[in-house]
Amino acid sequence: ETGVTQTPRHLVMGMTNKKSLKCEQHLGHNAMYWYKQSAKKPLELMFVYNFKEQTENNSVPSRFSPECPNSSHLFLHLHTLQPEDSALYLCASSPGTATNEKLFFGSGTQLSVL
Amino acid sequence: EDQVTQSPEALRLQEGESSSLNCSYTVSGLRGLFWYRQDPGKGPEFLFTLYSAGEEKEKERLKATLTKKESFLHITAPKPEDSATYLCAVRTTETGANNLFFGTGTRLTVIP
Repeated sequence: ETGVTQTPRHLVMGMTNKKSLKCEQHLGHNAMYWYKQSAKKPLELMFVYNFKEQTENNSVPSRFSPECPNSSHLFLHLHTLQPEDSALYLCASSPGTATNEKLFFGSGTQLSVL
Repeated sequence: EDQVTQSPEALRLQEGESSSLNCSYTVSGLRGLFWYRQDPGKGPEFLFTLYSAGEEKEKERLKATLTKKESFLHITAPKPEDSATYLCAVRTTETGANNLFFGTGTRLTVIP
């Protein structure tokens, strides 16, 4: 399998649930990102990992918890979310953070919080 | 404040009807401007990088141009398969990975 793969594609959760989003990249990249995409809003950077180390946390609420066990895998753990957290969550990778303009995106997880 | 604005928000074209999408930006220092295409239910796909005013890039029916204040994505004789949302992003000279700013996109529909 090539590119960036995200699972699940769709997720519906209640406000008290705990769930995780998974991202895997097969491109040999060292940098991985989580973005949030809401309707009629620009893509919003959430977290950046470079060589497994978190380098950016864009003031994201603690109910979103990222994990990067290695350069190929990235997780986003979710708990006690709010309805306004409903959005498309995109994972992306790039060779390094210095080359972050040419991002390779996964297809995203469409999250609905009830 | 760094800002990227795309217009129009939505555009409907007849097949073969050429047009342009606009991306205007106000940033403290431009390091590059990028165009992405996003199909429904998918993540954005990289199209072009432009680094300096006067630069142009082409790919099939798409041509991207850059000035000091804006970029245009020209679509010549579009086909229905060109229907997608086109995103513009600007990278500033700020250090770190939090230096890439996206616009809200133009949703293009090409009618057969």
